[in-house]
Amino acid sequence: TQLLEQSPQFLSIQEGENLTVYCNSSSVFSSLQWYRQEPGEGPVLLVTVVTGGEVKKLKRLTFQFGDARKDSSLHITAAQPGDTGLYLCAGVKPGLYAGNNRKLIWGLGTSLAVNP
Amino acid sequence: NAGVTQTPKFQVLKTGQSMTLQCAQDMNHNSMYWYRQDPGMGLRLIYYSASEGTTDKGEVPNGYNVSRLNKREFSLRLESAAPSQTSVYFCASSWRASYNEQFFGPGTRLTVL
Repeated sequence: TQLLEQSPQFLSIQEGENLTVYCNSSSVFSSLQWYRQEPGEGPVLLVTVVTGGEVKKLKRLTFQFGDARKDSSLHITAAQPGDTGLYLCAGVKPGLYAGNNRKLIWGLGTSLAVNP
Repeated sequence: NAGVTQTPKFQVLKTGQSMTLQCAQDMNHNSMYWYRQDPGMGLRLIYYSASEGTTDKGEVPNGYNVSRLNKREFSLRLESAAPSQTSVYFCASSWRASYNEQFFGPGTRLTVL
């Protein structure tokens, strides 16, 4: 069972369109992170959201953490070909930082293709 | 700063051969991780090291061993490679235990024939 469900799995859009991808769970997380992974590279951290209802903006990317801290969304405005990649969400469960709680819980990702 | 470096970038092994994947970070991070990434399976944790001198199993440790050589270096060893270990391997490091934000290397693409 995947604790973090990402949707859609695949998305292909034209340059200039807007899009939203989702990261959902039935569990509460103390924080959620979003990463982007380009082909042949490792994931790169984009943002961490910590507080329920928090909204963070990174240029054309807007990240939101759900009020109940069980879900998050990533909205891209006016997508560009450079936004192409695999978008991964990952979360930290509440509780102690030691032992298994050091593990991040990963979603399977949304593969985004932005066509010129 | 180079961040997290991994060697080699590509490797082809025959079943039963052994090899060590090297990872180093220059960010003075305490924690380091080894993942494998397979299509449809996402990132799966193999082993991690919360601090120098400690290592712990992740989700898929069978067939692997690790060594935290010092604060900078964390190696992953395949003693007897199997085709099921064909994958892309990523090393990562983190500095904040509370958020566990991770910084990844470029990966090693391993094929076991």
